[in-house]
Amino acid sequence: LAKTTQPISMDSYEGQEVNITCSHNNIATNDYITWYQQFPSQGPRFIIQGYKTKVTNEVASLFIPADRKSSTLSLPRVSLSDTAVYYCLVGVSYGGSQGNLIFGKGTKLSVKP
Amino acid sequence: GAVVSQHPSRVICKSGTSVKIECRSLDFQATTMFWYRQFPKQSLMLMATSNEGSKATYEQGVEKDKFLINHASLTLSTLTVTSAHPEDSSFYICSAREPGGPGTDTQYFGPGTRLTVL
Repeated sequence: LAKTTQPISMDSYEGQEVNITCSHNNIATNDYITWYQQFPSQGPRFIIQGYKTKVTNEVASLFIPADRKSSTLSLPRVSLSDTAVYYCLVGVSYGGSQGNLIFGKGTKLSVKP
Repeated sequence: GAVVSQHPSRVICKSGTSVKIECRSLDFQATTMFWYRQFPKQSLMLMATSNEGSKATYEQGVEKDKFLINHASLTLSTLTVTSAHPEDSSFYICSAREPGGPGTDTQYFGPGTRLTVL
């Protein structure tokens, strides 16, 4: 399973765009990249998932370069409620597989007023 | 997204007792569920993979006789912490994989169960 590396922490201010980059040099051909958000004493919440290029949903965008050795989660116009730990995970995600997700240390994002 | 529930959300028990935690996928069938443990200010650690109708697969270092997992149906998996001790106090989180098309499986997590062993 591919190991991921993220910054331990990041600080931002309300209304700014936040980009969190994750390195996964050993990503395998079938691996998808998934980002989760976790608040204290809660289970992780799915944010976005992608395989290559760019994926966008109502809360975030995910940028994946052609070599797929890294990915960047982009949060537009963050608010105080976006203060949380963000995890980048890489795992086998191909219909019916038994792959599981291994959590790294995550990035603790602190949004200030 | 899909919803996964856990019960109870919080439990306090005496040392030596057993505690059962339920994990349910509410609006989808999950052939595979996962159990994680998270200590304060640490990341989630995978304990075991629960497969409906078969034995669970445990990660290295996790005692299968202490952490009993039963995946009796496509929407329910249970984790029983047997003979709990204070060092078992932790935040236990389950997740369920929602089957999708090829390459689109996504795991959804429950809200977690805070176990405190006195």
